[in-house]
Amino acid sequence: GQNIDQPTEMTATEGAIVQINCTYQTSGFNGLFWYQQHAGEAPTFLSYNVLDGLEEKGRFSSFLSRSKGYSYLLLKELQMKDSASYLCAVMDSNYQLIWGAGTKLIIKP
Amino acid sequence: ETGVTQTPRHLVMGMTNKKSLKCEQHLGHNAMYWYKQSAKKPLELMFVYNFKEQTENNSVPSRFSPECPNSSHLFLHLHTLQPEDSALYLCASSQDIGGSYEQYFGPGTRLTVT
Repeated sequence: GQNIDQPTEMTATEGAIVQINCTYQTSGFNGLFWYQQHAGEAPTFLSYNVLDGLEEKGRFSSFLSRSKGYSYLLLKELQMKDSASYLCAVMDSNYQLIWGAGTKLIIKP
Repeated sequence: ETGVTQTPRHLVMGMTNKKSLKCEQHLGHNAMYWYKQSAKKPLELMFVYNFKEQTENNSVPSRFSPECPNSSHLFLHLHTLQPEDSALYLCASSQDIGGSYEQYFGPGTRLTVT
């Protein structure tokens, strides 16, 4: 079967750095997405990786290793507004997105 | 209106009721999606439409019936639902299917089945 694993919840301190991991086992691979979802709101796109390596976008970076079936989202200089759920999703060989259950990130002052 | 809109935002219905959820996208996209989001569970893809044609139906019970009259509008018709169908129903759109096309989500309809 297809599976996406990510931690259920993480806590970090304002101003610090946090890394949210995602491991996947899917039927084929056509890219990995990270989305942010604030409580009661719609998910919004953060990043897309299809090749191995690190993609940096401001305070957020996303890394992919296809051989390991592994990705992480790195958030730097954490702000209170970064408190949200972070969803990892992999596009399989049928171009369907397979979603993880999300990681709830709690930022403390 | 911009982006993806959904109505109603909240819906309470009995198991014998019939109701419809509406989604509209103002982005000129060709693909539209219905997802179910339950607490602490992954997003479940229900239906996919590309250029108004249904391309995916992920074993969704027949009490959920989608309709896509054009590329901008998507409906989800509901009838004889069960309490376990209570969830957040999200609509999304993307330029096309596959590749790096990110999906844009609406705010969702919070459905409660009593």
